[in-house]
Amino acid sequence: AQSVTQLDSQVPVFEEAPVELRCNYSSSVSVYLFWYVQYPNQGLQLLLKYLSGSTLVESINGFEAEFNKSQTSFHLRKPSVHISDTAEYFCAVSGFGGSQGNLIFGKGTKLSVKP
Amino acid sequence: NAGVTQTPKFRVLKTGQSMTLLCAQDMNHEYMYWYRQDPGMGLRLIHYSVGEGTTAKGEVPDGYNVSRLKKQNFLLGLESAAPSQTSVYFCASSYGIAGGPNNEQFFGPGTRLTVL
Repeated sequence: AQSVTQLDSQVPVFEEAPVELRCNYSSSVSVYLFWYVQYPNQGLQLLLKYLSGSTLVESINGFEAEFNKSQTSFHLRKPSVHISDTAEYFCAVSGFGGSQGNLIFGKGTKLSVKP
Repeated sequence: NAGVTQTPKFRVLKTGQSMTLLCAQDMNHEYMYWYRQDPGMGLRLIHYSVGEGTTAKGEVPDGYNVSRLKKQNFLLGLESAAPSQTSVYFCASSYGIAGGPNNEQFFGPGTRLTVL
């Protein structure tokens, strides 16, 4: 079985500052890793994912995450945040196939960007 | 394409009442999911379906039933609502299961349910 820990429930930052949202996972099998974003009063949207290959993955709006197998982490970073990045961010993990292929979500990190 | 739609958007029930939440997707996805989202708990999987006519239990299935009679629809039923079922419910669909190459899940806008 897999599990996900998001270490910070809330992260307040000022606009144009860098941010890191932390995610650690545990699993006895190889995994896929995801970050989803939820804007206020909306459903979740996929931000980026790691399946295989390069351990650094990027989104179209400037976020990146790095898969670190030895530290079982998949932290999300952005060098300069905007007000519009205010949202809740969920890290998720899945195993390969069958019931292990279902997504397991972390509890979420609320990013609040202040002017 | 409408993507994933959910009805209703809001509902208030009294304890013991029943209701059905409807999820529809127009992307021809095989896999569909029902989650509940509670503050500080993230999303937890209630039930899921790997194709028309199939359903399976997720992490928190008790008190809920589901049906997938048509590929595009996935219904979530509460037979006797309890205050502990007050939550925001999200439906999602995907072409393939999460542990596969076509694994992005597309989410609906949610249904906010309050049980008094």
